[in-house]
Amino acid sequence: GENVEQHPSTLSVQEGDSAVIKCTYSDSASNYFPWYKQELGKGPQLIIDIRSNVGEKKDQRIAVTLNKTAKHFSLHITETQPEDSAVYFCAAPGSGAGSYQLTFGKGTKLSVIP
Amino acid sequence: GAVVSQHPSRVICKSGTSVKIECRSLDFQATTMFWYRQFPKQSLMLMATSNEGSKATYEQGVEKDKFLINHASLTLSTLTVTSAHPEDSSFYICSARVLASGSTQEYFGPGTRLTVL
Repeated sequence: GENVEQHPSTLSVQEGDSAVIKCTYSDSASNYFPWYKQELGKGPQLIIDIRSNVGEKKDQRIAVTLNKTAKHFSLHITETQPEDSAVYFCAAPGSGAGSYQLTFGKGTKLSVIP
Repeated sequence: GAVVSQHPSRVICKSGTSVKIECRSLDFQATTMFWYRQFPKQSLMLMATSNEGSKATYEQGVEKDKFLINHASLTLSTLTVTSAHPEDSSFYICSARVLASGSTQEYFGPGTRLTVL
């Protein structure tokens, strides 16, 4: 099955700085890579995703890059704000019969210091 | 994005009782929903895939007789934790897939905090 590694586990940045979270995956057939933001006591919220036919996708202050050769993808948050503080999860689907079942990384706790 | 709701948001029960959690897709039909479990400071663990009109598919190590899943309609899936014990205390989250613009995305509900005394 799919194996997703996420780094770092915790990240602290000053307000206004950029934050980068990286994930690697094992299944070369995976073609969809979402990122979720989870605030304390709430369910995960899809913030951006990317498919394997593109290398980068941007939505305002959030961007995701994908390197299929190296099997890694990253979340970039620019001009961070205190409300960006949350736990972020990357995910990737497996292959085979359960191909749509997402495998999640262990999460990154982002703290934006005012 | 698509909206998925869960009810209740929090529940406290005594050991040995059963608890039912509802997951609804509010503005779309979902033939497939997923149930996850999340322990504090940990990632999401898939428990089972809920299929409308058929039996749920459980992940390895998840007891199907303890976690009963019913997907009776295209907008509702329920998870019943039977004979709950303190070790079942956790954050339970459902999700649903949405096909939009030729691609599939997964949206999560707000979660249900279960505490078993």
